[in-house]
Formats: sequence, C-alpha cells, structure tokens
Amino acid sequence: DTAVSQTPKYLVTQMGNDKSIKCEQNLGHDTMYWYKQDSKKFLKIMFSYNNKELIINETVPNRFSPKSPDKAHLNLHINSLELGDSAVYFCASSTRQGEGSPLHFGNGTRLTVT
Amino acid sequence: GENVEQHPSTLSVQEGDSAVIKCTYSDSASNYFPWYKQELGKRPQLIIDIRSNVGEKKDQRIAVTLNKTAKHFSLHITETQPEDSAVYFCAASKRLVVQFYFGTGTSLTVIP
Repeated sequence: DTAVSQTPKYLVTQMGNDKSIKCEQNLGHDTMYWYKQDSKKFLKIMFSYNNKELIINETVPNRFSPKSPDKAHLNLHINSLELGDSAVYFCASSTRQGEGSPLHFGNGTRLTVT
Repeated sequence: GENVEQHPSTLSVQEGDSAVIKCTYSDSASNYFPWYKQELGKRPQLIIDIRSNVGEKKDQRIAVTLNKTAKHFSLHITETQPEDSAVYFCAASKRLVVQFYFGTGTSLTVIP
C-alpha cells in the first residue's frame, strides 16, 4: 500500500480553469504538506497543516487553498490557473512526535497549464 | 525563519570515487537533518537522517556528518555507482515544529 497517495498523476488544463489535487496518507501522521517543485527542481513549501494549525507560505497566491476533510487527507484547490502554475506538486506527511521524523512524499502531480 | 544553503549545485564524479555534498543552516534551534534522493520523474525519498545529539551516522556507502557549532552538515557517498545519479536535497527541521526547510539541491552524475 502506498503510504502517501495523490491523484491525479498528470493534469493538463487551460488557463483560467479551477482544478483540485487530492492527497491521502495512511501513516497515521498528524501533519500534511504541499510542496511545489518548479523546473529548477527547487522544493518550495506551500502549506503545512495539522488539525490545529495551518501555516501558509506568504508567497503562495490566494488562488491556492488547502482543504482537509479529515487528518488523513489534504487536498489542494487552485482557482484561475495561470501558466506559471505549471510545476510538479508533491503532497507529504510527517509527525511531530519524537525527536524528529522525516517527510514522506507522494508520487507527485505534474500540472501543465496551457 | 531557517535558511538552508546547499553546495555544489552540480557534481560529476567517476564511478568508484567519493561524492560530498555540503549544507549550512542558520537557525541554531534546528535539530533534525534529513537527506533526500530524487531520481528523474520520481518523488524525493529519504536516504539518511541525523539528529543533533550525534555527530555522524553511517549506512553502508552513505554517511552524514553534523557540526552543530559551525551549523553545517554533509552527505558523503563512497564507491559511487551509476545508480547514485540523482538530485540530492538536504533539509533542516526543529522538534515539534512542522516546517522543513530544504536546500536547493545537488544534481549528482556518476560517470561509468
């Protein structure tokens, strides 16, 4: 079973559309994240979220919004897509318990905006 | 917030040689340092991590060293193989804080 799964794997859409990417983790982690990886391979944090707190990277446009129906899911909704939104989006999860634990990444969603 | 710098951005080595990637961090409260390997078209995967209560950790051909005083940590890969070719990321985090701060990545190429 995949620990962190996200769908779809590929998403091609036109400018101005609204789209969502879904993420689920079965690791029992308390925190989930969305990262954006651009063409230069930089991993940029967009959001981190647990059931008490949402931390938003201030550089993320408000067209992006995380939605969490429960602590095992953190979906990403994007409004009014722009060409610059094309990138690979990774969902990840971790736990704050113990003396540090790693991020577990999903397989990524390659978003192409035309 | 934390600032993690990673060098070099690209690294080419001959098969069998060693590779070293270095990272520095700015927040002295950071205490957990994972390293990730990302192969082309795939997700980043944890290869080794180190916590601030140790100075070195080794797992077969991979080792990580940490110098808390200087605030830098390094990844060492010995006897490199072509399958080690990938992008490597360092990261820093703090206990009980949900943020991971990543370096900018090192593209490692192992030449057969």
